[in-house]
Amino acid sequence: DAGITQSPRYKITETGRQVTLMCHQTWSHSYMFWYRQDLGHGLRLIYYSAAADITDKGEVPDGYVVSRSKTENFPLTLESATRSQTSVYFCASSDFTDTQYFGPGTRLTVL
Amino acid sequence: AQSVTQLDSQVPVFEEAPVELRCNYSSSVSVYLFWYVQYPNQGLQLLLKYLSGSTLVKGINGFEAEFNKSQTSFHLRKPSVHISDTAEYFCAVSGGGSNYKLTFGKGTLLTVNP
Repeated sequence: DAGITQSPRYKITETGRQVTLMCHQTWSHSYMFWYRQDLGHGLRLIYYSAAADITDKGEVPDGYVVSRSKTENFPLTLESATRSQTSVYFCASSDFTDTQYFGPGTRLTVL
Repeated sequence: AQSVTQLDSQVPVFEEAPVELRCNYSSSVSVYLFWYVQYPNQGLQLLLKYLSGSTLVKGINGFEAEFNKSQTSFHLRKPSVHISDTAEYFCAVSGGGSNYKLTFGKGTLLTVNP
């Protein structure tokens, strides 16, 4: 199906483990974004990418790593997960119209 | 730098009543403004956006918003709500330009009661 997908939808991990959240879009949008959503904070931008091999930090990048070797994929890696990274993570993509299209989210729990 | 303030964290209303969700922003440059809606356990979807032109913007599901530059506001309104409008609503601002980043408010939970 066309659109933007995220996997896994739910993930439980332990402190110190590496976790990778996947994001895939079928529109060939240039821009892709990663947000985290926490109660009382709304959505906060972690990283974004303007094109393949071009990434930049957002508001809360510490503890996260991204890559974008292909236009359609934008994985987010937590190199050593901490409890404070328990959150719901949303991926989004955008063409050049300022509208962002969001995936369904990944609920991550770090024990 | 930009910021968005959503003045109410929760708004309970009865079905068929009107509703207004308030949003104020601050920015040193011209802005683009957005309202997104998030239904339970789903991602966000665009309700409406203001880029330029008419200050009254109409969106999906009967919602509309008015851009007020002097008040730096972008309040969302609906004249008659339904149970199905129960959701969280996010106001967001973009500075335009070439990076298309959005800054979101903290959200307003709209609960429509029968």
